[in-house]
Amino acid sequence: AQSVTQLGSHVSVSEGALVLLRCNYSSSVPPYLFWYVQYPNQGLQLLLKYTSAATLVKGINGFEAEFKKSETSFHLTKPSAHMSDAAEYFCAVSADAGGTSYGKLTFGQGTILTVHP
Amino acid sequence: DSGVTQTPKHLITATGQRVTLRCSPRSGDLSVYWYQQSLDQGLQFLIQYYNGEERAKGNILERFSAQQFPDLHSELNLSSLELGDSALYFCASSARTVPNEQFFGPGTRLTVL
Repeated sequence: AQSVTQLGSHVSVSEGALVLLRCNYSSSVPPYLFWYVQYPNQGLQLLLKYTSAATLVKGINGFEAEFKKSETSFHLTKPSAHMSDAAEYFCAVSADAGGTSYGKLTFGQGTILTVHP
Repeated sequence: DSGVTQTPKHLITATGQRVTLRCSPRSGDLSVYWYQQSLDQGLQFLIQYYNGEERAKGNILERFSAQQFPDLHSELNLSSLELGDSALYFCASSARTVPNEQFFGPGTRLTVL
């Protein structure tokens, strides 16, 4: 079974400040991990993904995430927040190919990021 | 634009009714997934089809069913609708070679009155 916990349903930062969104996962097999962003009234857009190639993953819009197996974490960071980063962010986990939950994404509850001028 | 299309964008209906949501995957993608997003349950996986065959099932109610057609588009049928079925329904698709990377459509917002 897989699960994702996102710590903090709301995060507020000032423009130019560091963004840190926390995600911890649980998986019985090596996971694939993803961060998606959802802007108001839109679908989910893939920010970045971890598929075991490299532990530090760079994504779009200046975001990156680091896979830490010992901490079962996959936190999302961005050095300097922009107003346009305000959105809801979802961490998701998927089982390795061939598992019984092949392909299915299990999402965290989401973190709403607010950016203040 | 992810390349995944969903129709309709909005749907308002009454309890007890039946509706059909439609999804067209990205060109070349064989897998289609359906997810439900609600305030109380969050984003939940419903069902997956691969090249016309059901591949995985999640928290999908018996009143709900889906299918994938030979042209790879998919439909999600919701029947005997209840107020609690009001939600955003997303379709996603993925390529055969990168099965876990899913691209999401804009969603269908269902309101049951």
